[in-house]
Amino acid sequence: QSVLTQPPSVSGAPGQRVTISCTGSSSNIGAGYDVQWYVQLPGTAPKPLMHGNTNRPSGVPDRFSGSKSGTSASLAISGLQAEDEADYYCQSYDATLSGYVFGTGTRLTVL
Amino acid sequence: QLQESGPGLVKPSETLSLTCTVSADSTRTSSYYWAWVRQPPGKGLEWIGSIYYTGNTYYNPSLSSRVTISIDTFENHFSLYLTSVTAADTAVYYCARLVGTTSRRSFDPWGQGILVTVSS
Repeated sequence: QSVLTQPPSVSGAPGQRVTISCTGSSSNIGAGYDVQWYVQLPGTAPKPLMHGNTNRPSGVPDRFSGSKSGTSASLAISGLQAEDEADYYCQSYDATLSGYVFGTGTRLTVL
Repeated sequence: QLQESGPGLVKPSETLSLTCTVSADSTRTSSYYWAWVRQPPGKGLEWIGSIYYTGNTYYNPSLSSRVTISIDTFENHFSLYLTSVTAADTAVYYCARLVGTTSRRSFDPWGQGILVTVSS
């Protein structure tokens, strides 16, 4: 039932930069609702990574950055490290559903 | 800060009941909402519903006919009830605090999650 679309997987070598897209519609991201990002390591709960499109919670390195434009958002990770290997989810609010929606999730592999 | 509890095994057609105990915070606050999110094995995240300290509830339309969320601000916990469960309801269930303003709410923090399996 995900209304936010992400690529199933992305990969990059250590030190490289990767981006993960999150595509929504005019009833969520395009309606002005902010995008949040979460990172999930295997067997653990999701952890906040970005809120309000571009804001990093305390403790999140500045290698992580977020952006939003139109009906889409992106998460960029620079200086890839082995510990970045995880699943990443975007999240927003959808006015049509009157509820919160998550992206389909992206598995990041560090080569 | 948040801890889920409840049965890890529920029979088909029965009711799933989980409680989220909140510590180091108060559910009796106008600052936050409280939420349930689930994740089927190997799949993505799905918002189930949210509740405010006043008792106002908001449910995912796809589950609304089977879901009830309640809150006990004195015991400082909130609960999830999902009726008529099937194998499709097998998932890790997370409770979380919803923070932020109307257009930019995020789930932070999350409980550790509890795996609920629906099986006879």
